[in-house]
Amino acid sequence: EAQVTQNPRYLITVTGKKLTVTCSQNMNHEYMSWYRQDPGLGLRQIYYSMNVEVTDKGDVPEGYKVSRKEKRNFPLILESPSPNQTSLYFCASSFGLFRGELFFGEGSRLTVL
Amino acid sequence: TQLLEQSPQFLSIQEGENLTVYCNSSSVFSSLQWYRQEPGEGPVLLVTVVTGGEVKKLKRLTFQFGDARKDSSLHITAAQPGDTGLYLCAGARDSGGSNYKLTFGKGTLLTVNP
Repeated sequence: EAQVTQNPRYLITVTGKKLTVTCSQNMNHEYMSWYRQDPGLGLRQIYYSMNVEVTDKGDVPEGYKVSRKEKRNFPLILESPSPNQTSLYFCASSFGLFRGELFFGEGSRLTVL
Repeated sequence: TQLLEQSPQFLSIQEGENLTVYCNSSSVFSSLQWYRQEPGEGPVLLVTVVTGGEVKKLKRLTFQFGDARKDSSLHITAAQPGDTGLYLCAGARDSGGSNYKLTFGKGTLLTVNP
């Protein structure tokens, strides 16, 4: 089954404790991206990757890091989480954005205390 | 300034009613997508429109891309409670070098009451 898998789905952590949200896709997609979704602000792009070893900042990259060492995986790293990073996070992948067709994971709800 | 404006933001209707959701921009898009998101899940692609003036139908849902490729509408006929969800439009634009940037609207939260 074609899917984008994120882990963990739910996480409560404390300020400053490094965490990683994993994302894996089994569709051989070149493009992968991370979004955060907040009430009233919609989906905002954090980072994206056009291919292995090619990553770039989205609209709200501060406080986040990513890596793309393999085509299927695109982890999101919060080196020192802060309460303003409490949000619902989505990983997504695509063959290419001309048609803009993204496949989303089920989301990771992160709470930073 | 929001690149893609969706309206209305919230819509609560009774089962059986018709509705239209709008997605407007001053920018031209190479393609436009509509997604539906249910609580606790990620957005799921409903349709992609590419050609100006294009109309696509998905059962009771009708999607239209504006002639100038700057706007789109989603019309639902005889809404059902199962149509409840957050409807998101997203537009893809050429950002140079054969790269495309996807921009999302903030969504329309639809509630269909039995």
